[in-house]
Amino acid sequence: AQSVTQLGSHVSVSEGALVLLRCNYSSSVPPYLFWYVQYPNQGLQLLLKYTSAATLVKGINGFEAEFKKSETSFHLTKPSAHMSDAAEYFCAVSGLNAGGTSYGKLTFGQGTILTVHP
Amino acid sequence: KAGVTQTPRYLIKTRGQQVTLSCSPISGHRSVSWYQQTPGQGLQFLFEYFSETQRNKGNFPGRFSGRQFSNSRSEMNVSTLELGDSALYLCASSLEWAALMNTEAFFGQGTRLTVV
Repeated sequence: AQSVTQLGSHVSVSEGALVLLRCNYSSSVPPYLFWYVQYPNQGLQLLLKYTSAATLVKGINGFEAEFKKSETSFHLTKPSAHMSDAAEYFCAVSGLNAGGTSYGKLTFGQGTILTVHP
Repeated sequence: KAGVTQTPRYLIKTRGQQVTLSCSPISGHRSVSWYQQTPGQGLQFLFEYFSETQRNKGNFPGRFSGRQFSNSRSEMNVSTLELGDSALYLCASSLEWAALMNTEAFFGQGTRLTVV
């Protein structure tokens, strides 16, 4: 079974400051990891995904994440926060079942609300 | 290319009633998954359909059901509504989740269900 823990339900940064959103996962099989962003009254938009290729993954809007197997982490970072980054961010994991497929099930963390101050 | 379309966007129902939500996936996508989002429980997987077959199911009571049509459009149904069923229901479509996971899930804007 897979699980995801996002450390910090709320993160507040100043515009231009570094954004760091933390995600730790638990998986009994090699994981596939995702970060999604959700704006108010909207669905989820994929920021980036890790599927066992490069451990440093670059996504949209200047975000990137590094897969660290030894730490079971997949933290999301952005060097300089923008006001438009204010949203809720979700880390998710999907792994292969014993039969070799994951059948479309994502397990999400509880989310981190990012606030950006001027 | 059109995104994932969920209808209706908002719905108000009374306890005990039943409701059907609709999801039209991106053209060419054959996998449709459903999620329930609530402030208390977060995002929880309901079920996934591929080629009209339910392949995976989350831990929800039998009041929650779904189906997929030959054109990949999907519906989910909740019978005997309870107050706790109030949530944002999200649908996600994908090309195919099996094997190499080279695909990704594209989410609709959701249907906001309020049970009174």
